Amino acid sequence: NAGVTQTPKFQVLKTGQSMTLQCAQDMNHEYMSWYRQDPGMGLRLIHYSVGAGITDQGEVPNGYNVSRSTTEDFPLRLLSAAPSQTSVYFCASSYRRQGALGGYTFGSGTRLTVV
Amino acid sequence: EDQVTQSPEALRLQEGESSSLNCSYTVSGLRGLFWYRQDPGKGPEFLFTLYSAGEEKEKERLKATLTKKESFLHITAPKPEDSATYLCAVQAGHNTDKLIFGTGTRLQVFP
Repeated sequence: NAGVTQTPKFQVLKTGQSMTLQCAQDMNHEYMSWYRQDPGMGLRLIHYSVGAGITDQGEVPNGYNVSRSTTEDFPLRLLSAAPSQTSVYFCASSYRRQGALGGYTFGSGTRLTVV
Repeated sequence: EDQVTQSPEALRLQEGESSSLNCSYTVSGLRGLFWYRQDPGKGPEFLFTLYSAGEEKEKERLKATLTKKESFLHITAPKPEDSATYLCAVQAGHNTDKLIFGTGTRLQVFP
C-alpha cells in the first residue's frame, strides 16, 4: 500500500538551477495537487489537476510548472530555482467525486533548499 | 477573503490533562472543514471532515465540533503519542478544488 510517493526526500539546489519533484500515487485518484509549507504559514496550493491532461493554478504558481500525462504521476518542475522557493513540498491526492471531503492523502514531502 | 486562524500556536499538556484547540474561519459558502494531524518530517494525515454547524466527529481521544464561525478539536486525557501539529482547513463552495489551511497548533504532551 504505497499511497502517495514523493522523491527526492531532500534536495539542495543552487540559484538558477532547475529540477523536477516527482509525485506518484497508486490509488487511481483523479485529483492531485502540490502544496508548499513554510514556517508560520499554512500549506499553500501551487498547482492542481483534476485528471490526466488537465491542470490549473493554485494560490502560488509563479516559478513552477506541472503536467499530468497519466493518472498516476504529477511532477512539479522548478524552472529557475530561487531562495524564496526554499520550502517543504507536499503532494496530495483524492478521488475527484468526493473532492477533499473524504480527506486528501499526502506524501511524506520533499525538503528543498535553494542556496 | 477566505481565511483560517488557529490558536494557540503551541500547547503543552501533562498526560491526562484535557484541552481544546481552536480553528476560526471566514469563508463564503463553507463546504467542509477538515482536521489533519502532522508528525515531524511527515505529511498531514486526515482526521475528520465536518460539514455543518452542530456536527461532531470522534476518534479515540479526539472530538471535533463545528459552529458557524469556528471549530474545536477537543483532546480528552491526552497521551504522549498525541503530540503532533494539528492542522485545520476549509473548503469553500465556490472552489471545491482548493483547501485553505491554518498555520496549525503544535501540541506536546508530557508524561
